[in-house]
Amino acid sequence: KNQVEQSPQSLIILEGKNCTLQCNYTVSPFSNLRWYKQDTGRGPVSLTIMTFSENTKSNGRYTATLDADTKQSSLHITASQLSDSASYICVVRMNNAGNMLTFGGGTRLMVKP
Amino acid sequence: DGGITQSPKYLFRKEGQNVTLSCEQNLNHDAMYWYRQDPGQGLRLIYYSQIVNDFQKGDIAEGYSVSREKKESFPLTVTSAQKNPTAFYLCASSRSGNSNQPQHFGDGTRLSIL
Repeated sequence: KNQVEQSPQSLIILEGKNCTLQCNYTVSPFSNLRWYKQDTGRGPVSLTIMTFSENTKSNGRYTATLDADTKQSSLHITASQLSDSASYICVVRMNNAGNMLTFGGGTRLMVKP
Repeated sequence: DGGITQSPKYLFRKEGQNVTLSCEQNLNHDAMYWYRQDPGQGLRLIYYSQIVNDFQKGDIAEGYSVSREKKESFPLTVTSAQKNPTAFYLCASSRSGNSNQPQHFGDGTRLSIL
């Protein structure tokens, strides 16, 4: 069964600290993995996409990694800000027809002052 | 600015009532999607449409219906047959045929039962 598991479910950190969110998947055949940020009451917004050949990709203070062998990805947030408080969702696309996605349950991050 | 607009933001349904959620996009995307989001769970696909006048069932289509008469519009009807409709509903769109393009999401409609 194609699944995407994220950990931790929730996380509280102090402003300015770093954190790392984890994503493990069993989706096969793999096409790409995307991290989304979802603010409360809003729709998800794409942060970064990782394809099979990519190991690391940065977008400002966000750095995503991908290990296609172990089917693991991480999202590292550096120097956290209050505005980073949101849910972060890992989404994996299968390498087949259509744009069908498997969504993780998300990690809810709260950054406190 | 291009984007996806969902309305209303909050919606209440009485027992036995059908309700329709609106989704409009001006991104000129061919494909549109409806997802349901429940607390602590990943988004689940209800229906999707790759082109006008065509749509397909997703993983949890029972109790829902859609139409795609125009490229920019993909309304979702939650029928009385859906016994647990309370959830956050998200509409998305994307370019078809390009797997590296993201799905763009609206800001959702929260449906509750009276």
